[in-house]
Order: sequence, then C-alpha cells, then structure tokens
Amino acid sequence: DSGVTQTPKHLITATGQRVTLRCSPRSGDLSVYWYQQSLDQGLQFLIQYYNGEERAKGNILERFSAQQFPDLHSELNLSSLELGDSALYFCASSVPVGGNTDTQYFGPGTRLTVL
Amino acid sequence: QQQVKQSPQSLIVQKGGISIINCAYENTAFDYFPWYQQFPGKGPALLIAIRPDVSEKKEGRFTISFNKSAKQFSLHIMDSQPGDSATYFCAASRYNTDKLIFGTGTRLQVFP
Repeated sequence: DSGVTQTPKHLITATGQRVTLRCSPRSGDLSVYWYQQSLDQGLQFLIQYYNGEERAKGNILERFSAQQFPDLHSELNLSSLELGDSALYFCASSVPVGGNTDTQYFGPGTRLTVL
Repeated sequence: QQQVKQSPQSLIVQKGGISIINCAYENTAFDYFPWYQQFPGKGPALLIAIRPDVSEKKEGRFTISFNKSAKQFSLHIMDSQPGDSATYFCAASRYNTDKLIFGTGTRLQVFP
C-alpha cells in the first residue's frame, strides 16, 4: 500500500458528461501528480501541483482541469467526455514537508469508461 | 527529446533465468532514472532507481546498469520468479520533483 488513495475505483459514464476524480496524497506529501494510462499512449503526465499551486503541465486537454486544496488532496475534473478519454487515471505524490525525495508514490488508480 | 524508448515490448523467461529490459533516452538534462513495476489492477510501484553519477545499482535480485555516454540504462532481474510476472516501466526526469517521462512498458512473464 503506497499510502495514496484514489476514489472512485471505477467510473462508467456517457459521452458529453463531466466527472471528478479524487486523490489523497501520502500524509505530509506536498506534491501531487496526475497521469493517464491508456493502451495506445502508455503512461502520460497530465499535471502537477505543489502545495496548492500548479507546478507543471503536460499533455492535458483543455477539457480537463485540476486543483489541489489546502488539505493537499487533489481533484481532476474531466468534462465533455469523449470515448477516447477512457483510461486509467493515476495520482502520485511526493515531497514530504521538510523533506526532499525522488520517489513518486502512485495510487491504485481510477478506471474511467466512457460509453 | 522528451521520449524514453523501452524494449522489448514483451519478455518470456524461464524461472531462474535472467530478465533484461532496456531503455534509451535523448534528453541529457534527465537526472533521475527509476524503474516501476505494475501488477494488473494496481498502480505502478517504485522498484529501483539510479542517478547518472553511478554506473550500476543493485538491490537484491534487481540491478540497474547505466551508460551515460550511450544514454542507455537497463534493468536486470536475476533468478527470475513467477511472482516477478508484471509490467515494468522505465522512466526519467530532470530533477527529483519533476514529472516522470515513462517508457512504453515491458510485459514480463516468468514460467515455472
């Protein structure tokens, strides 16, 4: 168990809908990363937050947005969903308060199916 | 420049054998090279990682070999076990809190 939790585990929705994925980082970790894993694109970085502020952006669509709250949990919002958005979405966390670490700890993921 | 190329795509090894997975990168700014192991239905878990200032790192049956001049690194799994059957991803990042750039993954199957 990595200590990173993600909810829900599975999500089935229809095209055009909006969903919210939630991530709770390991206790004390300041940085949260979102990754998308699909069969054709592999594991791709979407966005990173550090202590509430956006730190880096990757291949994240404009229909997607994220935020990190004062308690350090993060949410990934996906809107106007398309069939191609079906994928596993992983959250990872790193950098404990007062620490300096390389390791990103991944959560169990949310499997999104768009029908 | 941001890509990490990984091979082979799949690997079948007999129990007790050596599994070798290779990765290559272009961006010389990459400074951290982890390997992640992923079982079906689970998130990736860090297996072992290396920085470019050393050429080899060993943790138990797992060894990373790193060739800075060739911009290549590889994972060796000694005495492979059926429990090692999983997908392995190499990755790279520019510094310790940077995003990870992942290879395409290698599905390893170890048969008894």
